[in-house]
Amino acid sequence: DTGVSQDPRHKITKRGQNVTFRCDPISEHNRLYWYRQTLGQGPEFLTYFQNEAQLEKSRLLSDRFSAERPKGSFSTLEIQRTEQGDSAMYLCASSRQQGGYEQYFGPGTRLTVT
Amino acid sequence: DAKTTQPPSMDCAEGRAANLPCNHSTISGNEYVYWYRQIHSQGPQYIIHGLKNNETNEMASLIITEDRKSSTLILPHATLRDTAVYYCIVRVSGGYQKVTFGTGTKLQVIP
Repeated sequence: DTGVSQDPRHKITKRGQNVTFRCDPISEHNRLYWYRQTLGQGPEFLTYFQNEAQLEKSRLLSDRFSAERPKGSFSTLEIQRTEQGDSAMYLCASSRQQGGYEQYFGPGTRLTVT
Repeated sequence: DAKTTQPPSMDCAEGRAANLPCNHSTISGNEYVYWYRQIHSQGPQYIIHGLKNNETNEMASLIITEDRKSSTLILPHATLRDTAVYYCIVRVSGGYQKVTFGTGTKLQVIP
């Protein structure tokens, strides 16, 4: 069990540029979640995958955001035409389908839009 | 998910027990109490969860009142590394469940 990993850990981009983040979940976990966290707030749910199927999207996930998990393993989160309001920590978590359903979080990707 | 209420901040002396309270007066019968913590600049970390019985693991103990309207997370011997934001969450266990975080309690362990 090597834990959830995310790449990159930090990203600075200019407004209007596109960015893509990657999440590698714990290998035997078939559920994967994306959250966003702004300063002083708890994480907010963005979207959820079970295997390769995206089963729920928050209304926080505007049309500029898209997430994929093509083979049911790693996932990517893309933000198009970034805005300063997109600056946040983007967290990925994974969980098993059976058991206590506790989610294991990665270290996050901190995005700064200038 | 039921709403929870936590104090915004607490201090605890190193080596002493840290007792973090959480109110969840609208909890439903099938909702569990979960605790996560988030150390600065890291992702949240699962600590413990329970339904109605007290629970203990290597990290902490969870005490849930008989009416299940409140709970306390106990770190028996707090260390400086326990300084973090602690989130109390109530949610149904089973099937997919996103975690709805509040603002948590900022625990500062003091040397």
